[in-house]
Amino acid sequence: EAAVTQSPRSKVAVTGGKVTLSCHQTNNHDYMYWYRQDTGHGLRLIHYSYVADSTEKGDIPDGYKASRPSQENFSLILELASLSQTAVYFCASSDRGRDAETLYFGSGTRLTVL
Amino acid sequence: GEKVEQHESTLSVREGDSAVINCTYTDTASSYFPWYKQEAGKSLHFVIDIRSNVDRKQSQRLTVLLDKKAKRFSLHITATQPEDSAIYFCAASRTNTGKLTFGDGTVLTVKP
Repeated sequence: EAAVTQSPRSKVAVTGGKVTLSCHQTNNHDYMYWYRQDTGHGLRLIHYSYVADSTEKGDIPDGYKASRPSQENFSLILELASLSQTAVYFCASSDRGRDAETLYFGSGTRLTVL
Repeated sequence: GEKVEQHESTLSVREGDSAVINCTYTDTASSYFPWYKQEAGKSLHFVIDIRSNVDRKQSQRLTVLLDKKAKRFSLHITATQPEDSAIYFCAASRTNTGKLTFGDGTVLTVKP
């Protein structure tokens, strides 16, 4: 079965601090994504990657960086965390081509910025 | 960019009844429309999808209808069961990109 593992499961950060969220997939998928979910809302795409060593901006990239050092690993970096970045963050992976459209999600990271 | 509106924020039905969740989208280039389910405290998982080359797709108790002219699609769940209770998200994307635009979700409650 597809497996996307996120760490940490939850984190409390201080305003202005640096936060790194990690994602590891064992699906052998080429594509990976970072979404954020705010309470009562759907998911919004932050960054995505179609191949190792390359990342693309999604719909809401401001305040976030992404890193894809290998096919399996995809990180989301908040260089200067802000209160507005409190949310649940989901990593996902998908295969290429027609199968790119079915996303497999991790369990999420609940980030609280104080 | 694409915007997806999910019309019902909450929906409550009795066990055995049908449930319908409606979504509209704005981008005429969108051609792929999946639905995801999120159970309480858990992640999202895929339930069913439809592509723009068809207007209806059924999988067991789930049916998705697509009206491209109205830019509207809907999820129909028949013979609902308590385990259908969850948040359902509709989404849209252009083909093969994997970049989904989600609606805000519908909290479906199935009462015994």
